[in-house]
Amino acid sequence: QKEVEQDPGPLSVPEGAIVSLNCTYSNSAFQYFMWYRQYSRKGPELLMYTYSSGNKEDGRFTAQVDKSSKYISLFIRDSQPSDSATYLCAMSAQGAQKLVFGQGTRLTINP
Amino acid sequence: GAGVSQSPSNKVTEKGKDVELRCDPISGHTALYWYRQRLGQGLEFLIYFQGNSAPDKSGLPSDRFSAERTGESVSTLTIQRTQQEDSAVYLCASSPRAGTDTQYFGPGTRLTVL
Repeated sequence: QKEVEQDPGPLSVPEGAIVSLNCTYSNSAFQYFMWYRQYSRKGPELLMYTYSSGNKEDGRFTAQVDKSSKYISLFIRDSQPSDSATYLCAMSAQGAQKLVFGQGTRLTINP
Repeated sequence: GAGVSQSPSNKVTEKGKDVELRCDPISGHTALYWYRQRLGQGLEFLIYFQGNSAPDKSGLPSDRFSAERTGESVSTLTIQRTQQEDSAVYLCASSPRAGTDTQYFGPGTRLTVL
C-alpha cells in the first residue's frame, strides 16, 4: 500500500464548475500538507500549504485537512481553463527532509 | 529572480551509457532535492542535500545512481549504465533550508533511454 493515494483521473469538468481533488494517506506522522500544480512539461509549483488539520483559503482555492480521517482535499471554485493541469498532493512529517507525493490528478477544464 | 534551472531539458541516450544531469538551485538555498517522475506517476524522492551535511541517499533506486553537490551550489545526478526503466523526468528542487520550507522546482530533465 502506498503511503499516499490519489485518484489519477483524468477529471474533466466544464468551466465554472467546482472541482474537488482528494488524497488519503496512511502515515499518522504527517503534519504538513501541500498541493502542487504542474502544467505539462513544467516543474510542480506550490499552490497551497497547510499545517495540521483545518481549512485554508486562497482566492478560488480551498485546502482542507482532516487528520482524523487521514484525508485531504483541494477545492477549486469557478474553475477556469487555465486551471487545467495535474494536481499533486504532498505531505511530510515533523522534521522530515523529504516530501511524499501522491500520483497526481490530471484535470481538464472545458470552455 | 532566477528560479531553479536544470540542464539538459531533454536527453536521449542508449542503454548502457552513462548520463549526467545538472541542477542550479536558487541562490542562497541550502537544501537541494532530486526527484524522479515516471510517466503518469507522482514524484519519487531520490536524494537530498543540506549544506555541508552528509546527503540523504535513501531514495536512490540502485548503486548506478549517484549525486554530488559542491557546497550550496550546483548539483549533478549521474546515472551509470542506463536502463530503459530509468526513462523518466528528473526534477530538482531547492528550499531555503531543509524540513518544511517550500520546495521550488526546476522544469526537469526528460531522460529517454533507448
